[in-house]
Amino acid sequence: EVQLVESGGDLVQPGGSLRLSCAASGFTFSNYAMHWVRQAPGKGLEYVSAVSSNGGSTFYANSVKGRFTISRDNSKNTLYLQMGSLRAEDTAVYYCARRPGAPNYYYMDVWGKGATVTVSS
Amino acid sequence: QTVVTQEPSFSVSPGGTVTLTCGLSSGSVSTNYYPSWYQQTPGQAPRTLMYRTNTRSSGVPDRFSGSILGNKAALTITGAQADDESDYYCVLYMGSGIWVFGGGTKLTVL
Repeated sequence: EVQLVESGGDLVQPGGSLRLSCAASGFTFSNYAMHWVRQAPGKGLEYVSAVSSNGGSTFYANSVKGRFTISRDNSKNTLYLQMGSLRAEDTAVYYCARRPGAPNYYYMDVWGKGATVTVSS
Repeated sequence: QTVVTQEPSFSVSPGGTVTLTCGLSSGSVSTNYYPSWYQQTPGQAPRTLMYRTNTRSSGVPDRFSGSILGNKAALTITGAQADDESDYYCVLYMGSGIWVFGGGTKLTVL
C-alpha cells in the first residue's frame, strides 16, 4: 500500500525550530518529487515547498523562504522539512504529498494524514 | 502576486448539477497551468479528484468532470450526493516550481 506518514509535529515557541519528517512506503520514493502543503486552522490549503526526486532542486513559497528547508534522504525513504524562526502564522497542519514522476504531471496524487505544528508562547 | 480565485461557497440539491470554477486574478486559466482539484472533508487529508484539467484520479466516480470554461478551470459534479458535501480546492502550476492553491469552495448539498 502506498503510504505517507508525517511525524515531528509539536508545540513550539515563537522564534523556535522544528523538523518534520514524512516516511514513505509502498513505492519507489526516489522516483518522485515531493511537496509540503499546510493548512492553518479554519483556513485553506497553502503550498509550502517542493523538492525534486534526487533532491537537487528545491522550491519555496515566499512566506517561508529563508526560514524553512526541504530535504530528502532517498536511502531512508524520508522527506524532511526543517522549520526555523517560527511565527504564530506558521501554526498549521502540515501535509506531505507525492507528485507523480512522469513529465508534465503537475499535481499531487498521494497525501499523508498530516502533522500538527503549533507556534505559541 | 498571483491569486487563484474560487467561489467561497456553493449549494446544490441532491441529484443536481454544480460547477465550481478556478480563475486567476489576472489573466486566463488554460491547460498550460495543469489545473488539478482536491476534495477535503473536515479533519481529513485532501483527496485528489482531477488532474491535467480533466483526468479523473483513480477511484473517482465519473459524475466528477473537469474542463476549461471560458477563462477558468471548472469542476462539475453531476448528480450530487450527500457525501459530496466537502471543501474543494483547485491548484494551478505557475511554472518554475511554483504552485498556487485557490482559497477553496465549501460545497453544501441540501
